[in-house]
Amino acid sequence: QVQLQESGPGLVQPSQTLSLTCSVSVDSFSSGGYNWGWIRQHPGMGLEWIGHIYYSGDTYYNPSLRSRVTISVDTSKNQFSLKLTSVTAADTALYYCARGVQDGSPNRYFDLWGRGTLVTVSS
Amino acid sequence: DIQMTQSPPSLSASVGDRVTITCRASQKIFSSLNWYQQRPGKAPKLLIFAASSLQSGVPLRFSGSGSGTDFTLTISSLQPEDFATYHCQQSYSAPWTFGQGTKVEI
Repeated sequence: QVQLQESGPGLVQPSQTLSLTCSVSVDSFSSGGYNWGWIRQHPGMGLEWIGHIYYSGDTYYNPSLRSRVTISVDTSKNQFSLKLTSVTAADTALYYCARGVQDGSPNRYFDLWGRGTLVTVSS
Repeated sequence: DIQMTQSPPSLSASVGDRVTITCRASQKIFSSLNWYQQRPGKAPKLLIFAASSLQSGVPLRFSGSGSGTDFTLTISSLQPEDFATYHCQQSYSAPWTFGQGTKVEI
């Protein structure tokens, strides 16, 4: 059973950097056909795609966050990470990591999700 | 960005009811539309991809339809475990965007 698990601090000071890691327990981490993404959900709100990365290291980011976001992959550990700089209270949210599927069609979707981790930005 | 608008924002229904949720895109997205179910305190779960394809393991009472700008998610006979929030998501054009969610309540 494929599992994704987020980890990282639950509290971040304003203007600091939010750092999260997603550990992936699946052999297909290195295979094609998948991307590895981050999505967040503000309290009581809808979902917001942050960005995703391929095993090759290619990345795609939401333009609204691009200047502050970095997603990286550590293939030796089957992990990928999110860094969000200069955080404010507006970055307080539930952060999910997820596996994105590319099945040869133009459509892209997330078929597996971590449980999510709440990050609060506060002093 | 492509805006995704779901309606209604919430609805009340009973077990056994047929429920339909609509998702409208601000521009044509062909069939690049996915549906997720999110139970309280849980991560989203993929139900439907490419507008009408049922994800493996998802009950047959769930179905999706539509193309272009207008899409629907239908639950043919609502079960107790279906009370949740449903989200649509487009992947036609980056940034991928989600609807604001539809909460299905008892």
